[in-house]
This record gives sequence, C-alpha cells and structure tokens, in this order.
Amino acid sequence: QKEVEQDPGPLSVPEGAIVSLNCTYSNSAFQYFMWYRQYSRKGPELLMYTYSSGNKEDGRFTAQVDKSSKYISLFIRDSQPSDSATYLCAGTSGNTPLVFGKGTRLSVIA
Amino acid sequence: EAGVAQSPRYKIIEKRQSVAFWCNPISGHATLYWYQQILGQGPKLLIQFQNNGVVDDSQLPKDRFSAERLKGVDSTLKIQPAKLEDSAVYLCASRDTRGSTDTQYFGPGTRLTVL
Repeated sequence: QKEVEQDPGPLSVPEGAIVSLNCTYSNSAFQYFMWYRQYSRKGPELLMYTYSSGNKEDGRFTAQVDKSSKYISLFIRDSQPSDSATYLCAGTSGNTPLVFGKGTRLSVIA
Repeated sequence: EAGVAQSPRYKIIEKRQSVAFWCNPISGHATLYWYQQILGQGPKLLIQFQNNGVVDDSQLPKDRFSAERLKGVDSTLKIQPAKLEDSAVYLCASRDTRGSTDTQYFGPGTRLTVL
C-alpha cells in the first residue's frame, strides 16, 4: 500500500460547480498536509497547508484533514476554468520528506 | 522575489548517455530538493541538501545518479549512464528554514526523454 493514495481522475466539472478532491494516507506519523496545484508543464505550487486535523479556508479553497480516518480533502467552490490543473496531496511528519499522491487531473468546463 | 530556476527545460538523449541538470534556488533558501516526477505520478524525492550538505539521499540510485551543491547555492543533478526508465520531469525545490513555514517552492522542471 502506498503511503498516500489519490484517485488520478480525470475529473471533469462544469464552471461554478463545487469540486471535492480526496486522498487517504497510511502513515500515522503524518502531522502536516499540503495540497499542491500543478499546471501542465509547470512545477507544483503550494495551495493549502494544514497542521493536524481540522479545516482551513482560503478564498474559494477549503482543506480538511481527518486524522482519525486518515482522510484529506480539498474543496473548491465556484470552480473556474483557470482551476483546471492537477492537484497533488502530500503528507509529512515534519522531519521526513514530503510524500505525494499521484495527483488528480481536474478540468473545469466553461 | 525570483523563483527557482532550472535548466535546461527539455532534454532528449539516448540510453547510456550522460546528462546534467542545473538548479538555482530562491536566494537565501538553505534547503534544496531534487525530485523525480514520472508521468502520471507525484514527485518522488531523490535528494535533499541543507546548505552544501546532504540530509537525505536514501532514494537516489547512486549507481547512476549523483548530485552536488557546491557553496550551498546552485545544484547539479547528473545521470550517468541514463536508462529508458529515467524518462521523467526532474524538479528542483527550495525552502526557507529561517521562518516557520514549511513551504517548498518548485522550479518549472527539466523534462528528460531517454530514447
């Protein structure tokens, strides 16, 4: 079992939809969780950063961590065509390397 | 603030040839990472530097891959000899350890094709 599992998609939604992206992880030592967005032929860029369990909101984006079920979610409200990208989740214990999921490819159709 | 610079952006070589990639991190960032991202996968750490010292190279195939970070700034990653399965995007990232953030900033990557 990989440490971070993520459905690769692709996921296609109409503009304005609420998008839910999810990951599961197996390493109980993970304390820090990140969501990166990666546009085609670009490097990943940090979107959201969460410590331990709970929710974090930033504009149209909400990151949610449930450590009891080892489940990570990213919600995108009012999705836009510019949100079309690959979304990568990642976890770390803090002093170990980031472990990434495979990424979910999202297309938002105008 | 300038981002992480990488060159070349694209490279095509034949198997058994050698190749080198260059990375210039964000000014002042002490931590530098090299990742390998195979198509359809997430980035996988190859090596982590803190200044000019290696922190973690446990996933670096040392029989063919080498990396250095002279003077604690720029870094080069070399593959010699290349294999078909080395075809991937090689990403460099840097992190500022002076603050509380754990944010890694990624460069655009070098896309390597091994024929």
